[in-house]
Amino acid sequence: DAMVIQNPRYQVTQFGKPVTLSCSQTLNHNVMYWYQQKSSQAPKLLFHYYDKDFNNEADTPDNFQSRRPNTSFCFLDIRSPGLGDAAMYLCATSRVLNTQYFGPGTRLTVL
Amino acid sequence: DAKTTQPPSMDCAEGRAANLPCNHSTISGNEYVYWYRQIHSQGPQYIIHGLKNNETNEMASLIITEDRKSSTLILPHATLRDTAVYYCIVTFPNTGNQFYFGTGTSLTVIP
Repeated sequence: DAMVIQNPRYQVTQFGKPVTLSCSQTLNHNVMYWYQQKSSQAPKLLFHYYDKDFNNEADTPDNFQSRRPNTSFCFLDIRSPGLGDAAMYLCATSRVLNTQYFGPGTRLTVL
Repeated sequence: DAKTTQPPSMDCAEGRAANLPCNHSTISGNEYVYWYRQIHSQGPQYIIHGLKNNETNEMASLIITEDRKSSTLILPHATLRDTAVYYCIVTFPNTGNQFYFGTGTSLTVIP
């Protein structure tokens, strides 16, 4: 089945140690999104790619970066994770002007 | 910023209709109303969306008031598996459908 895949599902990193989260899709959607969801809170949009065009939200910290090497893959890089970055990270995809489909998320723990 | 207001929690008896309200009094003419739900520790799941007219699919019905300032999601026969957080999102279709989640409604279906 076509879907949005996130790897790994659980990631543990150390304070300050860079970490990369991965998202892939078989839907051939041209828009990909990254959200951060902290415990008991709603998802918060970090940024999105429309094809190769990167769109950052104004309040997304510089510590968060993203790469999209091709249509199928998108990566979230956290350059120096702090304890406050522990969260579920959700990837979603959509066609332009259309419904978003979410992956299962990666739960990040920062020690 | 989120443009929606939802009650924080609701209960519904199993087998009865669940009616989840959402206020979006600042909605503009081109903005859509989307509903998603999130079962604990999973990615949000698309339910339904609409612009002006009422919509129905295999999961739910969406009733949008004539002035479009509020809407109601109806789950016609709630089951225990419908226990989740339900998010109402207003979005303007642009290069991406940026979603700014509100706090959502935690629905508990009671046996």
